[in-house]
Amino acid sequence: AQKITQTQPGMFVQEKEAVTLDCTYDTSDPSYGLFWYKQPSSGEMIFLIYQGSYDQQNATEGRYSLNFQKARKSANLVISASQLGDSAMYFCAMTRNRREGAQKLVFGQGTRLTINP
Amino acid sequence: DSGVTQTPKHLITATGQRVTLRCSPRSGDLSVYWYQQSLDQGLQFLIQYYNGEERAKGNILERFSAQQFPDLHSELNLSSLELGDSALYFCASSVWGGGALTDTQYFGPGTRLTVL
Repeated sequence: AQKITQTQPGMFVQEKEAVTLDCTYDTSDPSYGLFWYKQPSSGEMIFLIYQGSYDQQNATEGRYSLNFQKARKSANLVISASQLGDSAMYFCAMTRNRREGAQKLVFGQGTRLTINP
Repeated sequence: DSGVTQTPKHLITATGQRVTLRCSPRSGDLSVYWYQQSLDQGLQFLIQYYNGEERAKGNILERFSAQQFPDLHSELNLSSLELGDSALYFCASSVWGGGALTDTQYFGPGTRLTVL
């Protein structure tokens, strides 16, 4: 079974600082995908970034990058130059490669990030 | 805006009642997923449909059912509601949901269900 662990229930960061949100995963599948989603106080789930297990390079999307360490089974999200609008819940999730069938996402418990001015 | 729409945004009802949540996927997406987010359970996968057919079931109660229509919109039916069913229900869609790792799921704004 797949499992995602986010060990930081909450984090407080000063505006403009970089922040790293931790995510470790457990799976026996050789092929899988890792995702990060942002959930602001308004409630919607916003896709941020994706990393495939066979990708050689770490994924980047604007101010977001994913520090993927396969041997350690970690997929930490790095937000550079944090902004007040980054305050939200952040969820790490994974899915596995299947030729057919479900592509369900398995989520961690989330980290609540607060950016202080 | 993800392109996934969900109605209604809020729903307040009483125990024992039945409600229907509606979801329209992004244009071109064939797969629809339903998730439940509650304080005690976190985000849990309920069910997936692909092009009108049920593809997989997760932690979905027997009191809950879903379907995907020919126009690809989906409905989640919740019956005999209990207090514990109060949660945020998300619909997500992806292009095909057939196992490609890059098949990103885009979420709708959610329906907040309150059972009194």
